[in-house]
Amino acid sequence: AQTVTQSQPEMSVQEAETVTLSCTYDTSESDYYLFWYKQPPSRQMILVIRQEAYKQQNATENRFSVNFQKAAKSFSLKISDSQLGDAAMYFCAYSRDFGNEKLTFGTGTRLTIIP
Amino acid sequence: DAGVIQSPRHEVTEMGQEVTLRCKPISGHDYLFWYRQTMMRGLELLIYFNNNVPIDDSGMPEDRFSAKMPNASFSTLKIQPSEPRDSAVYFCASSLPRGQGLHNEQFFGPGTRLTVL
Repeated sequence: AQTVTQSQPEMSVQEAETVTLSCTYDTSESDYYLFWYKQPPSRQMILVIRQEAYKQQNATENRFSVNFQKAAKSFSLKISDSQLGDAAMYFCAYSRDFGNEKLTFGTGTRLTIIP
Repeated sequence: DAGVIQSPRHEVTEMGQEVTLRCKPISGHDYLFWYRQTMMRGLELLIYFNNNVPIDDSGMPEDRFSAKMPNASFSTLKIQPSEPRDSAVYFCASSLPRGQGLHNEQFFGPGTRLTVL
């Protein structure tokens, strides 16, 4: 079974600084997708960024980028120029490409932004 | 598009009562997922449908839980009888058909916070 591990229950960063959230996963599949979701206090799950395993290039969405290391099964999220609105729980998630499209989530990292 | 719609947003009930949660997926999406979020177990899949057919219900806790999708625009998750340990936030999510755009990207509803006293 696939597992997703987030080893940092909590992180904090000064406003305007850069922070990296860690995620590792375990799978025997070669084709899959990885995601970072943000959950603010409103509890809405918001997709931040996605990465297809077959793509070597790391995904980027404005201030958010990932470091995808397929061999190491590592998928970290970097947030640049942190803003107060970035404060939230961040969940790493895995999905197979074929056969079962469910998301397997990590336990989350609570990110605090220090003004 | 209005996004995934869930109702009610909050539900408080007493142990032993029947609870029904509702979900309307995004139009054109043919995958629908029900997730549960608790402090102890995090986010976990309960069941998902493709073209209104249940594909994986291995996450459904026990016979007290049942889910249906009578048509492409509506799904229910029912708990009967409810117990205090069912207290959680229940999310519905939907995604596009395979072969269409960002197939594996799931769009979440706002969730239903269920409290069973």
